Amino acid sequence: AQSVAQPEDQVNVAEGNPLTVKCTYSVSGNPYLFWYVQYPNRGLQFLLKYITGDNLVKGSYGFEAEFNKSQTSFHLKKPSALVSDSALYFCAVRDGDNYGQNFVFGPGTRLSVLP
Amino acid sequence: GAGVSQSPSNKVTEKGKDVELRCDPISGHTALYWYRQRLGQGLEFLIYFQGNSAPDKSGLPSDRFSAERTGESVSTLTIQRTQQEDSAVYLCASSLQGISPLHFGNGTRLTVT
Repeated sequence: AQSVAQPEDQVNVAEGNPLTVKCTYSVSGNPYLFWYVQYPNRGLQFLLKYITGDNLVKGSYGFEAEFNKSQTSFHLKKPSALVSDSALYFCAVRDGDNYGQNFVFGPGTRLSVLP
Repeated sequence: GAGVSQSPSNKVTEKGKDVELRCDPISGHTALYWYRQRLGQGLEFLIYFQGNSAPDKSGLPSDRFSAERTGESVSTLTIQRTQQEDSAVYLCASSLQGISPLHFGNGTRLTVT
């Protein structure tokens, strides 16, 4: 069975500083990994995904994420945070060897960027 | 339309009434998912449709919950005899097969009084 952990409920960072939102996963097959962002009163928006290839993937709004197979991690990063990045962030995993498998989401991390 | 459409956007109902929530996925998307999100919480998987395969209903919390999907089009989530604990935002998402990410609607906010 798949699972996703986001060990931090809340991350606070000052505007202009780098940010990291952590994610670790467990899946039996090849991991397909995703990050989503949720702004207040909205659905989730896709940020980026890792399927195969380069371990560093770049996505929307200047975000990037690094896939680390040995640590089973897929941390979300941004070099310079903006106040507008404040939102709820979800990591998700899917088993790439079994398309019948569901997407499994982590519990979410609330990012607050302070001006 | 260009995205996943959910209706109604807000629904207030009395305890014990039945409600029906609708989801219009992106055209051509074979997979459709329903999730529940309580205030400030993460996503709770409810049900997953993939093409003509039998749906994965493993996340439905009780037999008061059911969902249908006609082919690869509209889906409805029905909650019978609603309870206050059913109050949440119900999110629908669709995707293509394989490596495609999920595309979410804006959700239906259900309030049971």
